[in-house]
Amino acid sequence: DAGITQSPRHKVTETGTPVTLRCHQTENHRYMYWYRQDPGHGLRLIHYSYGVKDTDKGEVSDGYSVSRSKTEDFLLTLESATSSQTSVYFCAIGDRGLIDTQYFGPGTRLTVL
Amino acid sequence: LAKTTQPISMDSYEGQEVNITCSHNNIATNDYITWYQQFPSQGPRFIIQGYKTKVTNEVASLFIPADRKSSTLSLPRVSLSDTAVYYCLVGGDNAGNMLTFGGGTRLMVKP
Repeated sequence: DAGITQSPRHKVTETGTPVTLRCHQTENHRYMYWYRQDPGHGLRLIHYSYGVKDTDKGEVSDGYSVSRSKTEDFLLTLESATSSQTSVYFCAIGDRGLIDTQYFGPGTRLTVL
Repeated sequence: LAKTTQPISMDSYEGQEVNITCSHNNIATNDYITWYQQFPSQGPRFIIQGYKTKVTNEVASLFIPADRKSSTLSLPRVSLSDTAVYYCLVGGDNAGNMLTFGGGTRLMVKP
């Protein structure tokens, strides 16, 4: 498996609290992505990054922000978590953009009560 | 971005060949077709990618007709461990923020 980890793996939080999920890679890939997966929706792209400090929005970016201050770390922040953000979050990495093979992390299961 | 349509689910038996077809009528000239596999509680894993005609690797084959409006993932001689969800993606370098996996096809392989 590609060297990609996510933390935490599981988190339960309350509505209105801030939450930050971390994705860490040891592969030096240029692109990093955050997806969410919900029943009946497959995976949907939230944000992606094409380099340090270079990020762009995905299909479902509302309510989420990201930061990438180092090549190896891509943070996803929910400024004020809502129950609709209960989901499984996957980070992915790749080298050639969105048509590239993407390597996925193990996922973070987030529950917002 | 081209929208994809796949069957929601398929059943097969061990040892059979499985073909999963994906429709992408609005595929653009610079779009590639990529398939991923996902097991429960894991992230998706790349299977195969192609642009036209046929691509084969050690895991699967991908057939793409000349009009590229559909593609077929072929899994030879499936085993129980091939039970998973299979996603078809269509996109190019400029797919930007609209890349989506869709609902996928849930393949159940029976003994």
